[in-house]
Amino acid sequence: GESVGLHLPTLSVQEGDNSIINCAYSNSASDYFIWYKQESGKGPQFIIDIRSNMDKRQGQRVTVLLNKTVKHLSLQIAATQPGDSAVYFCAENIPPGQFYFGTGTSLTVIP
Amino acid sequence: GAVVSQHPSWVICKSGTSVKIECRSLDFQATTMFWYRQFPKQSLMLMATSNEGSKATYEQGVEKDKFLINHASLTLSTLTVTSAHPEDSSFYICSATSGSRSSYEQYFGPGTRLTVT
Repeated sequence: GESVGLHLPTLSVQEGDNSIINCAYSNSASDYFIWYKQESGKGPQFIIDIRSNMDKRQGQRVTVLLNKTVKHLSLQIAATQPGDSAVYFCAENIPPGQFYFGTGTSLTVIP
Repeated sequence: GAVVSQHPSWVICKSGTSVKIECRSLDFQATTMFWYRQFPKQSLMLMATSNEGSKATYEQGVEKDKFLINHASLTLSTLTVTSAHPEDSSFYICSATSGSRSSYEQYFGPGTRLTVT
């Protein structure tokens, strides 16, 4: 379902370190997940997606892991850069096609 | 490709007036459009789903008479906030799916910031 009125958790990492952002989802019927990046005052930007029949997917500097047993999703960013500073949301698709966003995590990269 | 635009990007209006926000898919036909609302430091909350030529499906708790959605063509959906009040001040974001590559892939607009005074 939808996140409700929660303030964003924050994560601070040193430039060059790896970042791990976590997300818990609640609906076992969710069959598709997306990670989005949102910079201040802008719309969400697609990063990477994964279907429920997979447990890992890699992109450029990013990896998404899906653990359906505990309904957990994570986004790993390798060699984090200052331009990665943003708010990151996971979104789950609940068939037949409703997208719900997680609470989000604010990532700050320290130069 | 797959660009979604919103207009206006920022609007300030007086309490009691109505505001229309447009969402356009610029280079593809959007079979379905979604409207989200986002309060500061919070996540996106799905308000409604609209399919071209049919009535929008609203999420629980969203007043359909207050947030009027019209999806008149495959490239345009509008959200009208009627009789706006300060508590309606928020960031409104639309997204669209084309259904051509993946029925799940959504393309987001840049958002519209509404401030009601």
